[in-house]
Amino acid sequence: KNEVEQSPQNLTAQEGEFITINCSYSVGISALHWLQQHPGGGIVSLFMLSSGKKKHGRLIATINIQEKHSSLHITASHPRDSAVYICAVSGGKKSSGDKLTFGTGTRLAVRP
Amino acid sequence: DTGVSQNPRHKITKRGQNVTFRCDPISEHNRLYWYRQTLGQGPEFLTYFQNEAQLEKSRLLSDRFSAERPKGSFSTLEIQRTEQGDSAMYLCASSPSSSGNTIYFGEGSWLTVV
Repeated sequence: KNEVEQSPQNLTAQEGEFITINCSYSVGISALHWLQQHPGGGIVSLFMLSSGKKKHGRLIATINIQEKHSSLHITASHPRDSAVYICAVSGGKKSSGDKLTFGTGTRLAVRP
Repeated sequence: DTGVSQNPRHKITKRGQNVTFRCDPISEHNRLYWYRQTLGQGPEFLTYFQNEAQLEKSRLLSDRFSAERPKGSFSTLEIQRTEQGDSAMYLCASSPSSSGNTIYFGEGSWLTVV
């Protein structure tokens, strides 16, 4: 079993739909990260969470530390949101810095 | 600040050849990480530097792989005697020294071993 599990693996939505991507983890963490990866490889950090909820534009991320679960929500989805969304956790050992353990990603396609 | 820079972006090499990738982190970041990503998978940790010290290496980093960060600024990742299984994207990331910071990624270096 992977330390970080994401669901769904693939998601297709119509423009304007509300989207939720889920992440569960099985290890102790200091922070959970939501990342976006477009074709071609570049990864952009969307959120870093250690508790509660964060919002940035149409994106909302929540985390429940007790349940070891996080969700990424996209409101009013748009075709430009099409990308792979990756959940990652950090904070195992102090000597590892901010080393990340990644989920396998959720491939999102938003159709016009 | 131009962010994390990686070179070359793409490399095609014959099996058995050596390749070297370079990463220039954000200038004030003293933490630097290398990851490897194969198609359809999330990235996997390879190694971590704090300044010039290599503090952690994954078991994925076989004897054919070596990483350096000689002056605590840029880093190189060398793969000797490449194998087809080395074909992947090699990602570099950096972050400031205190824990719990946003991590910044480079665009990655794609390696194809033929």
